[in-house]
Amino acid sequence: DAGVTQSPTHLIKTRGQQVTLRCSPKSGHDTVSWYQQALGQGPQFIFQYYEEEERQRGNFPDRFSGHQFPNYSSELNVNALLLGDSALYLCASSLPLGQGAFFGQGTRLTVV
Amino acid sequence: GENVEQHPSTLSVQEGDSAVIKCTYSDSASNYFPWYKQELGKRPQLIIDIRSNVGEKKDQRIAVTLNKTAKHFSLHITETQPEDSAVYFCAAGTTSGTYKYIFGTGTRLKVLA
Repeated sequence: DAGVTQSPTHLIKTRGQQVTLRCSPKSGHDTVSWYQQALGQGPQFIFQYYEEEERQRGNFPDRFSGHQFPNYSSELNVNALLLGDSALYLCASSLPLGQGAFFGQGTRLTVV
Repeated sequence: GENVEQHPSTLSVQEGDSAVIKCTYSDSASNYFPWYKQELGKRPQLIIDIRSNVGEKKDQRIAVTLNKTAKHFSLHITETQPEDSAVYFCAAGTTSGTYKYIFGTGTRLKVLA
């Protein structure tokens, strides 16, 4: 049983560029949440997808957008990258009630 | 706004001693409280969780307590071992409505051999 998988594991981008991160949820999970974790901080909620729709959003600008596909996998897109977007981006999958979310290994994004 | 405060930020204990990490949440609608352990360079791992209809839950050396009135919940680790060294995050969430987790800022636990 595969857990939550994310790709790529590491990424370096230049300011102003756009990036797409991908997540495949744990088998049997249909809800995907994205978090941003800055160094030394706790994960910050970006948004959550369920039934291919954004169900809830945290305090992140519209530069952060996402998508969920019929197979429950998800993408996180960030436009017009800023240096401050450098962080570990974590995907978590869960059942619809959100309990016991399981995290992927994350994508380390560095913006230079 | 919604907030979870976590203390202490760092904690050093001798092997075999107990460790306690405390969190306070602000959203009274929160009814689900997971704890995650994150080792350096690795993903957060769910170690224990508690729902608001329960005051205490135990799993071997780990226990979590919840005081809904005070909006406090705590993680207790007994008989600590070096492999318990990691960053621990508390979180508060709801099982209806928003489903998002609000995480604390983390506690770096160091177990000294």
